[in-house]
Amino acid sequence: QKEVEQDPGPLSVPEGAIVSLNCTYSNSAFQYFMWYRQYSRKGPELLMYTYSSGNKEDGRFTAQVDKSSKYISLFIRDSQPSDSATYLCALTGSGGSNYKLTFGKGTLLTVNP
Amino acid sequence: NAGVTQTPKFQVLKTGQSMTLQCAQDMNHNSMYWYRQDPGMGLRLIYYSASEGTTDKGEVPNGYNVSRLNKREFSLRLESAAPSQTSVYFCASIEGISAGELFFGEGSRLTVL
Repeated sequence: QKEVEQDPGPLSVPEGAIVSLNCTYSNSAFQYFMWYRQYSRKGPELLMYTYSSGNKEDGRFTAQVDKSSKYISLFIRDSQPSDSATYLCALTGSGGSNYKLTFGKGTLLTVNP
Repeated sequence: NAGVTQTPKFQVLKTGQSMTLQCAQDMNHNSMYWYRQDPGMGLRLIYYSASEGTTDKGEVPNGYNVSRLNKREFSLRLESAAPSQTSVYFCASIEGISAGELFFGEGSRLTVL
């Protein structure tokens, strides 16, 4: 079993839809949970970052972490064509000098006008 | 503020040729990373440098070498390129003191014929 599983999609939705993106993980040591957004032919950029279980909201984006189920989600409300990108979950066990992220494979999202 | 700069952006090599990918960051970050991204495989860590003067292997180090030239620069060398090394390579950096945002370059697209 891979450490992080993410459905690669592709996912295509109409503008204004609510989008749900998910990752599951197997390593209980993961403590930090992130979502990166990657536009075509660009490097990934941090979108959301959370440490604990629960929800974190930032505008139209909500990150949800359920450590007991080893499941993380990203919700996008009122999706826009500009949200079309690949979304990667990223997890790590600790900070400090041994900081390494384990990435999911990414989900390609297209929001159609 | 340039962030993380990678050169070259595109390169075509023949099997057996060597080349070096250059990466420089201007954010005074301690830790730097090299990832490769392949379709269906996500981002995989090749090598990382937690601080100036140290380097460590990641998930897929075979066929690569790295040099942390100084705090700003981290290079990735392919000594004898193989078609399996055709990929998009991303350099990234982080301040390194605690968990946080990984800043990525825009990528270097390498094709090995």
